[in-house]
Amino acid sequence: GQNIDQPTEMTATEGAIVQINCTYQTSGFNGLFWYQQHAGEAPTFLSYNVLDGLEEKGRFSSFLSRSKGYSYLLLKELQMKDSASYLCAVRGAAGNKLTFGGGTRVLVKP
Amino acid sequence: DAGVTQSPTHLIKTRGQQVTLRCSPISGHKSVSWYQQVLGQGPQFIFQYYEKEERGRGNFPDRFSARQFPNYSSELNVNALLLGDSALYLCASTSRDGYTFGSGTRLTVV
Repeated sequence: GQNIDQPTEMTATEGAIVQINCTYQTSGFNGLFWYQQHAGEAPTFLSYNVLDGLEEKGRFSSFLSRSKGYSYLLLKELQMKDSASYLCAVRGAAGNKLTFGGGTRVLVKP
Repeated sequence: DAGVTQSPTHLIKTRGQQVTLRCSPISGHKSVSWYQQVLGQGPQFIFQYYEKEERGRGNFPDRFSARQFPNYSSELNVNALLLGDSALYLCASTSRDGYTFGSGTRLTVV
């Protein structure tokens, strides 16, 4: 099976940087996804890592270490609109499903 | 191109009733997945279908069933509704590159 852990809630100030950690234990691994979800809306894709290292996309970066079962999402130059839940999800070896963590709610304060 | 469309957006049902939720994937995508998201939690995998065949099933009771049609649209059926079935039901159009979610159907069971 899969077990994915991420912090429940984080608070940061507008303009600052926040790092959301995700640890996972899986019986198979075929990539790790990060999604952003505003309240009552669908998750929207942010990043995908399948190899170790850092993927950068504008203000968002994501890092993966497969040997440690660890990923993080880095949000830079925080804006008020970044207040949302951030979901870490692992795709299993069969490639037929995502297993999600519980989500990290990020609150950006002025 | 249209994204993933789901219908209805909201509905309210009574315990014991049956419900059918509908999803149309992104044009050209042949795979659809269904997820249940209870308030405050991450989405949980229910089913994946590819080319009208079930390719994966999550840990849900037999009251949950689904099918995919020749045009790759899909239906999720839930029988004998329980209060605990109240959730946001998300459909994801899946390709090798990842998953695109629809806006979901908010089901409330009273």
